[in-house]
Amino acid sequence: GQNIDQPTEMTATEGAIVQINCTYQTSGFNGLFWYQQHAGEAPTFLSYNVLDGLEEKGRFSSFLSRSKGYSYLLLKELQMKDSASYLCAVGRGSYIPTFGRGTSLIVHP
Amino acid sequence: SQTIHQWPATLVQPVGSPLSLECTVEGTSNPNLYWYRQAAGRGLQLLFYSVGIGQISSEVPQNLSASRPQDRQFILSSKKLLLSDSGFYLCAWSIRSGTEAFFGQGTRLTVV
Repeated sequence: GQNIDQPTEMTATEGAIVQINCTYQTSGFNGLFWYQQHAGEAPTFLSYNVLDGLEEKGRFSSFLSRSKGYSYLLLKELQMKDSASYLCAVGRGSYIPTFGRGTSLIVHP
Repeated sequence: SQTIHQWPATLVQPVGSPLSLECTVEGTSNPNLYWYRQAAGRGLQLLFYSVGIGQISSEVPQNLSASRPQDRQFILSSKKLLLSDSGFYLCAWSIRSGTEAFFGQGTRLTVV
């Protein structure tokens, strides 16, 4: 089975940096995904890590440590529009994404 | 380019009524297809996935069923809805040997 843990809620200030952590336990690991989901909308893909290390994409970066079952999403220069839920998902088997409960990020001025 | 269509966007159904949600993908062949449900304040729960026509795997026992009558069509059904079936239903696809899943717009189902 799979067990994916991430904080329920985080708050941060506009312009700051925030790190959202995700830990997982799974069999047949095939990579880790991060998605962004605004209220009432479908999730949109942010990043994918299959090898250990940091992947940078603009203001967003994602890190993976397979030996520790750990990932984080780093958001820099926070903007108000970054207020959303951030979903950690683990790929297993035939690339079937299994999602955690998500972290609700609130960015305030 | 690939696109995914899911309808309807919102649906209000009485308890005990049937359900049929449809999802179609364009611009790709032989995709993996998924149905997820998201209850209020909860994460995405994988309900069904399919790796080919007529091949359906169920992740969670429930009164829902799924079918894949064509390569790029995925249908979620119920014969009799329960109040607990209310939620946000999302269809998604991914390429067979690929990475991220792409989501449809979702259907917000309210069972009354």
